[in-house]
Amino acid sequence: KQEVTQIPAALSVPEGENLVLNCSFTDSAIYNLQWFRQDPGKGLTSLLLIQSSQREQTSGRLNASLDKSSGRSTLYIAASQPGDSATYLCAVTMDSNYQLIWGAGTKLIIKP
Amino acid sequence: GAVVSQHPSWVICKSGTSVKIECRSLDFQATTMFWYRQFPKQSLMLMATSNEGSKATYEQGVEKDKFLINHASLTLSTLTVTSAHPEDSSFYICSAREQGAAKNIQYFGAGTRLSVL
Repeated sequence: KQEVTQIPAALSVPEGENLVLNCSFTDSAIYNLQWFRQDPGKGLTSLLLIQSSQREQTSGRLNASLDKSSGRSTLYIAASQPGDSATYLCAVTMDSNYQLIWGAGTKLIIKP
Repeated sequence: GAVVSQHPSWVICKSGTSVKIECRSLDFQATTMFWYRQFPKQSLMLMATSNEGSKATYEQGVEKDKFLINHASLTLSTLTVTSAHPEDSSFYICSAREQGAAKNIQYFGAGTRLSVL
């Protein structure tokens, strides 16, 4: 059974710092991995999607990497801003049935 | 991009009443819609998968008589929480897969926060 773990559960850093969020998964038979952003009481915004054959994806100040063999992904946020404060979720799409399996998220607070 | 509208965004109800949540794909046809539940500080858990015109497939542990799902058209799926109780209070999110599109892509609604008193 696929399990997705995100560490840390919460993170608070000063504005301007670079930071890394971690996601690990137990079953490497994934179709892709996605990073989402969730604002309090709101839905989900897809940030980056990495196909299983890819190593990384970049969008603006965000860079996501994928090491499928070790079951790990990282989301790198450069020059953090208060507007980056949100909960960041990672989810893997299973190869077998295209179901999304979610991590519990990392709550990020960027202090001005 | 594809837009999924979820309504209401927040609902408070008394214990024992039923609540209906709507999920609409605004600019595409969705053959498949998904309903998720999220407890505070926990991951999203898939409750059920609904296919247009057929019965929903429920995940293990989800009571189908408690959470009624109807997907009567290619743009609308509804989740009805019947005889709601405080333990049903949660954040419910729907997503939709576009007809003919890649199976790995889902578009998400903004979610519905349900509070049962």
